[in-house]
Amino acid sequence: EAGVAQSPRYKIIEKRQSVAFWCNPISGHATLYWYQQILGQGPKLLIQFQNNGVVDDSQLPKDRFSAERLKGVDSTLKIQPAKLEDSAVYLCASSVPRGRVRQGVSGANVLTFGAGSRLTVL
Amino acid sequence: AQKVTQAQTEISVVEKEDVTLDCVYETRDTTYYLFWYKQPPSGELVFLIRRNSFDEQNEISGRYSWNFQKSTSSFNFTITASQVVDSAVYFCALRPLIQGAQKLVFGQGTRLTINP
Repeated sequence: EAGVAQSPRYKIIEKRQSVAFWCNPISGHATLYWYQQILGQGPKLLIQFQNNGVVDDSQLPKDRFSAERLKGVDSTLKIQPAKLEDSAVYLCASSVPRGRVRQGVSGANVLTFGAGSRLTVL
Repeated sequence: AQKVTQAQTEISVVEKEDVTLDCVYETRDTTYYLFWYKQPPSGELVFLIRRNSFDEQNEISGRYSWNFQKSTSSFNFTITASQVVDSAVYFCALRPLIQGAQKLVFGQGTRLTINP
């Protein structure tokens, strides 16, 4: 099966500019995640969608970050305006085939990650 | 609160040596899952293993083995007869076994370098 697709792979912007990242999850996966990975650290969850609804956005800096998954398939993550500390790799992941969501399966499912979008803010 | 600690920031060994990556976790949940992921230079996180808190059996998969000890809250990963292709950053992660939010909490990662 095709993996999680992300674009662009690399982006360099000046601080205060805006940027958007796109993610296409594995076909049939109901749950989509955006993680931020700062150099030398483990990934940190920014937002989790189940279908097109937000499940957890407690660590998303909502004054500058926004994300949407309008049709419950692909998703975009936007940063506006960017700060120097936003330099990181933004990883998208997906999990849970839609049928298993209805069965109430949770916790066990493995996240499949994309290759990430590396953002450098100058 | 949940926390995963990988105390070893970097490890460097010579090919064919055995190497163990340590992982210690903290959680108040009684049921949870533990994971190991590998991140090669390409950047994509690759799933290696999942273990639930009910099952403390050690697992072996080829050159890889995992030692889960609930009493010490540890889930260590051993590579036997290491190879250069094993060079990567390895992450240990924790997720509660509950409905709804499935936040995967990662450790800081251990950068493993296998020298020829």
